[in-house]
Amino acid sequence: GIQVEQSPPDLILQEGANSTLRCNFSDSVNNLQWFHQNPWGQLINLFYIPSGTKQNGRLSATTVATERYSLLYISSSQTTDSGVYFCAVESGYALNFGKGTSLLVTP
Amino acid sequence: DAEITQSPRHKITETGRQVTLACHQTWNHNNMFWYRQDLGHGLRLIHYSYGVQDTNKGEVSDGYSVSRSNTEDLPLTLESAASSQTSVYFCASSEQMNTEAFFGQGTRLTVV
Repeated sequence: GIQVEQSPPDLILQEGANSTLRCNFSDSVNNLQWFHQNPWGQLINLFYIPSGTKQNGRLSATTVATERYSLLYISSSQTTDSGVYFCAVESGYALNFGKGTSLLVTP
Repeated sequence: DAEITQSPRHKITETGRQVTLACHQTWNHNNMFWYRQDLGHGLRLIHYSYGVQDTNKGEVSDGYSVSRSNTEDLPLTLESAASSQTSVYFCASSEQMNTEAFFGQGTRLTVV
């Protein structure tokens, strides 16, 4: 099946810093989503982005499907951004998840 | 607002018992999915359904079954619970293939 690799696995930031999370995938995809799993375990939809660039407030994402990667940008990070960020791709029947990037934003 | 809900949120059961986790969505989505989340593995697909009476196995389906008798519900049954099935279970739905999927709040299952 399709492989999804996320980097870095762990990240610690001070409040106000910017960061870039990366997702590489091994095959062409028809769907790519970014999720935030908050400390309570909820999976929050951030972006549905099989290609192109989208922005939502301090977050933005870019997917370059031809080069098989996606980037999630977090600007001016806040403590509420802490949690795990998952990239998931669909090339057949369901989403395949990466192992996530665990982000801790300190005051 | 349309939503997807799971119940119960937490459950403790004994080894060997049959357990059913409920998933209900009000979006009228065709596709529904069950995943389990374990440390070190991320989310892994258990079963999925593309519509009423359709069910398919995912990568970790052993010991689990699902049934789809209507559009709104996809219950997940553990036939004989094992300690290895202690996990957090997530249900998801999407309108059709390659469209945005939405997840329920999760069910934390402990098998003792």
